[in-house]
Amino acid sequence: KAGVTQTPRYLIKTRGQQVTLSCSPISGHRSVSWYQQTPGQGLQFLFEYFSETQRNKGNFPGRFSGRQFSNSRSEMNVSTLELGDSALYLCASTPGPTGGAETQYFGPGTRLLVL
Amino acid sequence: QQQVKQSPQSLIVQKGGISIINCAYENTAFDYFPWYQQFPGKGPALLIAIRPDVSEKKEGRFTISFNKSAKQFSLHIMDSQPGDSATYFCAASIAGNTPLVFGKGTRLSVIA
Repeated sequence: KAGVTQTPRYLIKTRGQQVTLSCSPISGHRSVSWYQQTPGQGLQFLFEYFSETQRNKGNFPGRFSGRQFSNSRSEMNVSTLELGDSALYLCASTPGPTGGAETQYFGPGTRLLVL
Repeated sequence: QQQVKQSPQSLIVQKGGISIINCAYENTAFDYFPWYQQFPGKGPALLIAIRPDVSEKKEGRFTISFNKSAKQFSLHIMDSQPGDSATYFCAASIAGNTPLVFGKGTRLSVIA
């Protein structure tokens, strides 16, 4: 089975712009979670989607949003980019609604640089 | 509020030695404790996980030790190899309910 794929792998944006990142889960997996990884804060949970519904949400401002499509693919959007949004954005998939207790399969991430 | 505290931030171990990474948690409702391993340019991958009904779990050279009363758990890597050089994250969650809360990671370097 193909693993979790994320596109694009690298992205450079300027402050104030918006960005959309894409994640395709492992075939058959219906839950997708997003994380932000930075050197200072480590891995921080953004949100989780299962069957097109947001199931959990982390402590991030409303500029961060996401959605999931009927084929389980997910996108996250960050509007009005700030310098502090520079990070590696990771997507993880699990077969069912995880609650974190199932093995999460991570993609390689999208590295976002905000200038 | 950091719910899972991980130490040390970085660790250098000689080949063949034992690597030990520690984590402490605050939320007594946590009941699932995984460790993830991340190589440069890759996403994290599950290494080993434990639930609080056991005090130790071993898989090959990797062992989790769990101390429920102290709210601490640790990863031991026996016979550490250069290929183990990676960043290790501990995490915790309430199974079936909450998302994973990760520690800030430990960068392990195993030198020959």
